[in-house]
Amino acid sequence: SQQGEEDPQALSIQEGENATMNCSYKTSINNLQWYRQNSGRGLVHLILIRSNEREKHSGRLRVTLDTSKKSSSLLITASRAADTASYFCATVMDEVTDKLIFGTGTRLQVFP
Amino acid sequence: ETGVTQTPRHLVMGMTNKKSLKCEQHLGHNAMYWYKQSAKKPLELMFVYNFKEQTENNSVPSRFSPECPNSSHLFLHLHTLQPEDSALYLCASSQDSGISREQFFGPGTRLTVL
Repeated sequence: SQQGEEDPQALSIQEGENATMNCSYKTSINNLQWYRQNSGRGLVHLILIRSNEREKHSGRLRVTLDTSKKSSSLLITASRAADTASYFCATVMDEVTDKLIFGTGTRLQVFP
Repeated sequence: ETGVTQTPRHLVMGMTNKKSLKCEQHLGHNAMYWYKQSAKKPLELMFVYNFKEQTENNSVPSRFSPECPNSSHLFLHLHTLQPEDSALYLCASSQDSGISREQFFGPGTRLTVL
């Protein structure tokens, strides 16, 4: 399946440290999106990166995409306790199979 | 707030009950989605509506019945559910169902089937 796999499944860090989460997928994609979910709540879109892009920034977030390795990473710099949440990558293959396919997520805990 | 609301936030029902989940979006979007989120499983897409027409039914059992009366409202009618249907049900919307559209999610309905 196209399902994204996040790595690690869980990550615990101290405030101020950087957090890196990785996502791997299996087939070619049109774009890859990262979402965040606070416990038991809905998902919030963070950033979208297209297949012809290699890196994007948004505030303290940095996303990279390596289509040759079929992988993406999300870096959160100078983490805060409020960053504690689950982070999901989601891929879109193409215009025909245009569904968002989500991975299983990385649970990030940031300790104050 | 994302502009997508869901009611109720929590629902407990027996296997013989009939209930409905409601989703409303205030964003002027034309596409709406139902997802199921179970523990330790990826988010599963259930249904997609684009301009009020159902464009995706991801092999969902008939005990789940969606309804989209207009582009702002989406319902999920539930009847004779099973305990394994207990999950967080998330509604989302996007401007349309184009592949580069970000989706805006509601807070979800936590459903428990006894």
